[in-house]
Amino acid sequence: EVQLLESGGGSVQPGGSLRLSCAASGFIFSSYAMSWVRQAPGKGLEWVSGISGGGGGSTYYADSVKGRFTISRDNSKNTLYLQMNSLRAEDTAVYYCAKYYSGWYGFDHWGQGTLVTVSS
Amino acid sequence: QTVVTQEPSFSVSPGGTVTLTCGLSSGSVSPSNYPSWYQQTPGQAPRTLIYSTNTRSSGVPDRFSGSILGNKAALTITGAQADDECDYYCVLYVGGGIVVFGGGTKLTVL
Repeated sequence: EVQLLESGGGSVQPGGSLRLSCAASGFIFSSYAMSWVRQAPGKGLEWVSGISGGGGGSTYYADSVKGRFTISRDNSKNTLYLQMNSLRAEDTAVYYCAKYYSGWYGFDHWGQGTLVTVSS
Repeated sequence: QTVVTQEPSFSVSPGGTVTLTCGLSSGSVSPSNYPSWYQQTPGQAPRTLIYSTNTRSSGVPDRFSGSILGNKAALTITGAQADDECDYYCVLYVGGGIVVFGGGTKLTVL
């Protein structure tokens, strides 16, 4: 059974940093592209970042986080990361880890999410 | 800036059929945009319904189907049930590893 478990959320002041983790199990983690998706309170889903699988590790970002967030993966630990720097109030959201079905065909599994609150 | 458009809200009668659509600001949706659809109830993580245009995710009933209708991706729900009342999101791949979510459709069953 595929499981994705996010951790690392919490409260941080504007300008601060936070690192999210997503522990994956139940599939060959290294073979699949992964993404982070967020949802601000009362708002819709927003794609944040993606990283390719298959050993490539190419990274992609939404314009809203480019230059501030860094996605990475440790295939030896079956873990996906999101390093978030220079956080802003508008980054406040539940952050979900998501696995792509194959290539960029769409997401087939989601984590339960971790809440990040940026506030002074 | 690519924008993915969805109807903000839609209403369907119990037992009825509804088709939600997903458009692309830059032109027509094609299979190479790998349209996918997600269902979300308040406070819960999204649930995958459809990926790659028309492939149902494991465990999704065949009341849910995906297609491309004209220049948009479409999600059709037949035999609507009360627990289908929630938010529906589409996602399109726009190239270069980038995917874009639509704004979501709030479906009411009444």
